[in-house]
Amino acid sequence: DAMVIQNPRYQVTQFGKPVTLSCSQTLNHNVMYWYQQKSSQAPKLLFHYYDKDFNNEADTPDNFQSRRPNTSFCFLDIRSPGLGDAAMYLCATSRVGEGSQPQHFGDGTRLSIL
Amino acid sequence: DQQVKQNSPSLSVQEGRISILNCDYTNSMFDYFLWYKKYPAEGPTFLISISSIKDKNEDGRFTVFLNKSAKHLSLHIVPSQPGDSAVYFCAASEGGGADGLTFGKGTHLIIQP
Repeated sequence: DAMVIQNPRYQVTQFGKPVTLSCSQTLNHNVMYWYQQKSSQAPKLLFHYYDKDFNNEADTPDNFQSRRPNTSFCFLDIRSPGLGDAAMYLCATSRVGEGSQPQHFGDGTRLSIL
Repeated sequence: DQQVKQNSPSLSVQEGRISILNCDYTNSMFDYFLWYKKYPAEGPTFLISISSIKDKNEDGRFTVFLNKSAKHLSLHIVPSQPGDSAVYFCAASEGGGADGLTFGKGTHLIIQP
């Protein structure tokens, strides 16, 4: 089955210790997104890649960066995680260029900060 | 500033009856609306969508209604089944391009036997 896969499902890191979350897709979609969802809150878009073009949301902290080495993979790097960065991180993909299309989500990575 | 609002954090409906989930938005530039369903420990799963050129879209037991003048949409599930118990997110986007989705906070639907 074509899908969006996030690894790991659970990640624990120490305050200030860099962490990387990964996402891969077999859907061959040209856009990949990262969302942050805190408890009982709406998922919030951090940034997205349209092919190789990176698009950052205006209020995404500088602490958060992303890499997309190829079509299938996208990484979320948190350089110096703070306690406020504990959240569920969701990766999504979509195909743009064929009219409005839904985004397809992975199961998320739950990040805890000690 | 919440551009997409789901004012009911939870909703309890008896099995077999109709479930109606509501969503309001403030951004008049939104032209594509979606509903996602989310089970615990899983990612959101796409359920149904509607473009702003339509006022209704139906897929099996699920129907989405869009009222552009009121900036309101609703999801109807009929008949409701136990497997429908989940958190439902309303989401919206502009222009059908690569821009991300703006989500509501979700409504937890509980189907009672």
